[in-house]
Amino acid sequence: AQSVTQLGSHVSVSEGALVLLRCNYSSSVPPYLFWYVQYPNQGLQLLLKYTSAATLVKGINGFEAEFKKSETSFHLTKPSAHMSDAAEYFCAVSTNYGGSQGNLIFGKGTKLSVKP
Amino acid sequence: ETGVTQSPTHLIKTRGQQVTLRCSSQSGHNTVSWYQQALGQGPQFIFQYYREEENGRGNFPPRFSGLQFPNYSSELNVNALELDDSALYLCASSLWLRGYQETQYFGPGTRLLVL
Repeated sequence: AQSVTQLGSHVSVSEGALVLLRCNYSSSVPPYLFWYVQYPNQGLQLLLKYTSAATLVKGINGFEAEFKKSETSFHLTKPSAHMSDAAEYFCAVSTNYGGSQGNLIFGKGTKLSVKP
Repeated sequence: ETGVTQSPTHLIKTRGQQVTLRCSSQSGHNTVSWYQQALGQGPQFIFQYYREEENGRGNFPPRFSGLQFPNYSSELNVNALELDDSALYLCASSLWLRGYQETQYFGPGTRLLVL
């Protein structure tokens, strides 16, 4: 069975500082991993995804994530935070593998605050 | 903008009532998944529809049911509403092709409040 753990329900950084949001996964099969962002009162927007190609994945808005199998991690980073990055971020693992049905299993989310 | 639309945006119901939520999938997509996001939580998978049939279900009771139409739009129906059904309901569409499901794209959600 698959699961996702996001460490830290709330992360606060200063504008211009490094953003690091942590995600660890558990999966019995090679995982597909995703990061989504949710702005207040909105749906989810895909930031980036890992589907067994390159382990360093670049996404939108300057975010990237690195898949580390040995650590079962898929942490999200951005070198320099911007005020507009303030939102909630969700890590998710997909059950889709080898043609099986796919759905997303989400972590509980990390709310990112950016201080001026 | 993902091209996935949902209606209505907000809804207030009372306990015991029934509700229908609607989703129009992105052009070219043939699969729709529904998720429930309670306040302060991550989304939880309710079920998925592919070619008008249920193609997987999460841990939700039978009073949660759905439909997918020939144009791939979808409905989520919830009977006998309970207070705990208050949540944001998200629809996601994707393309299922040759046994592989591609990335899911989410709509803006319907916020349901049960009083």
